[in-house]
Amino acid sequence: DAGVTQSPTHLIKTRGQQVTLRCSPKSGHDTVSWYQQALGQGPQFIFQYYEEEERQRGNFPDRFSGHQFPNYSSELNVNALLLGDSALYLCASTLLRLRRATQYFGPGTRLLVL
Amino acid sequence: AQTVTQSQPEMSVQEAETVTLSCTYDTSESNYYLFWYKQPPSRQMILVIRQEAYKQQNATENRFSVNFQKAAKSFSLKISDSQLGDTAMYFCALPTQTGANNLFFGTGTRLTVIP
Repeated sequence: DAGVTQSPTHLIKTRGQQVTLRCSPKSGHDTVSWYQQALGQGPQFIFQYYEEEERQRGNFPDRFSGHQFPNYSSELNVNALLLGDSALYLCASTLLRLRRATQYFGPGTRLLVL
Repeated sequence: AQTVTQSQPEMSVQEAETVTLSCTYDTSESNYYLFWYKQPPSRQMILVIRQEAYKQQNATENRFSVNFQKAAKSFSLKISDSQLGDTAMYFCALPTQTGANNLFFGTGTRLTVIP
């Protein structure tokens, strides 16, 4: 049973650039959520995708956007990178029809913006 | 708005001993659930235990148990017979809003198990 996978594991970008992070959900899951975890902090919810649409969104600017594909995998895009975007980006998946289902997390992508 | 407070930034425990991590929260929801997640140095966020707010019985998973005090909005995690593999960041979390399964996390407690 494949768990949540993310790529790449590490990434270095410069200010103003754009970045795309990828996530494949756990087998059988149809919903993907993205979180940003700054150093020394707890994860913060960015947004959730279900049926290829953004279903919920946290308090993040429009520079953060996403996409979900028919196979339920997802991408997180960040435009016009700022130094403050340096963080661990976590993807989590779940099965939405199970109300209040547990989320399962991937290993994360460490993004460093210089 | 949801709040989650973990007042112990760091804790340590001797191997085989018991340790309790504290968490207090606030929510306007009446029917909710709470989580403890563990994040070892490998960064993978791993579910430790889950508690449904409507259940009076405290959840237990092997060496991990919770003390859930609904009126006090307190949700502490007890780890018995601590093992070196328990060394990790521990996060308390609850859903961001009614019906959501997205989570609002506390700032975490760094637990070190000493041999």
